[in-house]
Order: sequence, then C-alpha cells, then structure tokens
Amino acid sequence: GAGVSQSPSNKVTEKGKDVELRCDPISGHTALYWYRQSLGQGLEFLIYFQGNSAPDKSGLPSDRFSAERTGGSVSTLTIQRTQQEDSAVYLCASSLARLAGGRETQYFGPGTRLLVL
Amino acid sequence: SQQGEEDPQALSIQEGENATMNCSYKTSINNLQWYRQNSGRGLVHLILIRSNEREKHSGRLRVTLDTSKKSSSLLITASRAADTASYFCATGAQKLVFGQGTRLTINP
Repeated sequence: GAGVSQSPSNKVTEKGKDVELRCDPISGHTALYWYRQSLGQGLEFLIYFQGNSAPDKSGLPSDRFSAERTGGSVSTLTIQRTQQEDSAVYLCASSLARLAGGRETQYFGPGTRLLVL
Repeated sequence: SQQGEEDPQALSIQEGENATMNCSYKTSINNLQWYRQNSGRGLVHLILIRSNEREKHSGRLRVTLDTSKKSSSLLITASRAADTASYFCATGAQKLVFGQGTRLTINP
C-alpha cells in the first residue's frame, strides 16, 4: 500500500516569504506528526495531531510556524516570513491510534528539503 | 534537547563484518525504537523494543536494552553495502526524541 507522501520534495524560497508543506498520511492512520531535521539541531519534534483532539504544538519553534490537518487526513505545515535558520528537512509521519503500552510505530515520509536564501 | 546520545558518531567497516551501534538515554522509557535513514531523507522503522524486554531480533538485526544503564545497542550482522545509512535511536510514545545518529559506511 501507499506510504506517507510529502510535497514538494524540495523547496527553495527567499527570506521573508511564506511556505506551505504538505503531508498525506497512510490511509486509516489517525495520528500525524511533523519533525524537522537540521544540521545544528538534529531531529526535532514539531507538532502532533491525534484524531479530533487539539494538536500538541509544544515543539513549534516560533509563532511563525503553524499546522493544520483537514478532515483528519492531509496536513499542511506553514512557515510564515521564513528565515535562513528555517532551512532543514521537514519530515512527516503517521501512525495508527495508540495501542496499549505506546507500541505504535511511526511511518515517515521522504521529507521536504527547504532552503531559505 | 536530544534524549539519546549515540556512539559512535561514525562507523566504517568491511562488508560481511558486524556493526554495533550504541544509544544512551536520560529518562525512563516505555519503549525504544531504531530507525534507518538513507541520504538524509525519510526514516525507516527497523525495530521496537519494550522496556520489559532485554533483547529482540529481526533478521540480521539484534537489539538489546539495559534499562538499568539507560542504554541500547543495535547489532547488524553480516553487513552489506546496502546497510550504509544513518541509524537513530528514538524514545517516547508520540513525540519521538531522537539521538544524534550513527553514520554507518559499509565498504565493499
């Protein structure tokens, strides 16, 4: 079956512009996650959606970052007024509803490589 | 902040040899996972070990967990060129916290 897909694969933008990154989770997965991977910070959690619950935004680095998930499926991560330090690979993952003992596996997409000039 | 620290940061071995990577973490866990990443893109889930397990096998992979030392190891036996990748340990249930990773190179 299809895995997690992300678009675009690569995005080059100018400092100060807004960007939108899209994630299509695996069908039937109720949980969706965004992570960021940069040279200086490694892999960092950004935000987590679970069903209809309020998202856990505790990892978002600033109020320039926001995300939404429409219809419990596709998610969009928006970065406003991009800065050079936003350059990173943005990874999306999805998983099934939480199993007993937190055994759910997160399946990752290929990522979007963002370069802010 | 990173929960896990991985050791070594880089490892280069000959094809056919075994590769061992270690991961240490700081807080109590319910489980620990290992992921592989090729070419800095998507992460592939390899194996999950629960806190009440000490060892787990999957094909050529063997993972151990020592909760008293807050450490885990990943052993890849009979390595192949295709195993060249970065390997990360991760803890947490929903908000995964990753180590810095080990960059493994298998030389033909």
